[in-house]
Amino acid sequence: DAGITQSPRHKVTETGTPVTLRCHQTENHRYMYWYRQDPGHGLRLIHYSYGVKDTDKGEVSDGYSVSRSKTEDFLLTLESATSSQTSVYFCATRDSPAIETQYFGPGTRLLVL
Amino acid sequence: EDQVTQSPEALRLQEGESSSLNCSYTVSGLRGLFWYRQDPGKGPEFLFTLYSAGEEKEKERLKATLTKKESFLHITAPKPEDSATYLCAVKVDGGQAGTALIFGKGTTLSVSS
Repeated sequence: DAGITQSPRHKVTETGTPVTLRCHQTENHRYMYWYRQDPGHGLRLIHYSYGVKDTDKGEVSDGYSVSRSKTEDFLLTLESATSSQTSVYFCATRDSPAIETQYFGPGTRLLVL
Repeated sequence: EDQVTQSPEALRLQEGESSSLNCSYTVSGLRGLFWYRQDPGKGPEFLFTLYSAGEEKEKERLKATLTKKESFLHITAPKPEDSATYLCAVKVDGGQAGTALIFGKGTTLSVSS
């Protein structure tokens, strides 16, 4: 498994506040992803990165932004958190274009009050 | 629209009672099908990748198979430690957001001793 850590692991915040979640990987994987997982839904892609400073939107990107200034770090920012963004957020990495498998981090549980 | 459907939603087995989980998909241009295991409060753990119809992969008590329309995860003589949610995902040609996986909602397996 790729060495993937996420921080914080748990967070409680209030509506309207900005929140940043961090994903850190030690495997030098090129691709990084942010998913959210909600009851009744499969994992859904928020944003992804295909290299340093190269990012693109996923299925549920509204209200989120991302940044990747180093290979090992991928940040997800909720500009102004809403209750609908209460979820469990997972980061994933993928090694190269030739390898489709994605490896997941432990997740961040976010509660927006 | 690309879709992944897993059945059943939940499955209860006695220890040693073999069974199968199903993942059916309707996608254009399958690039790979993935099985993950997810324990409560943790991130998905990679199990298998299947690329073409007829392919099979095995790991301990688990065996994954792939046809042109579906995949099965066969569990032989399960033990209580096999209890988890099993997720199926597909990667499609030119799919959503280029490189995203499309996930099913999962099958929650409970094995009692």
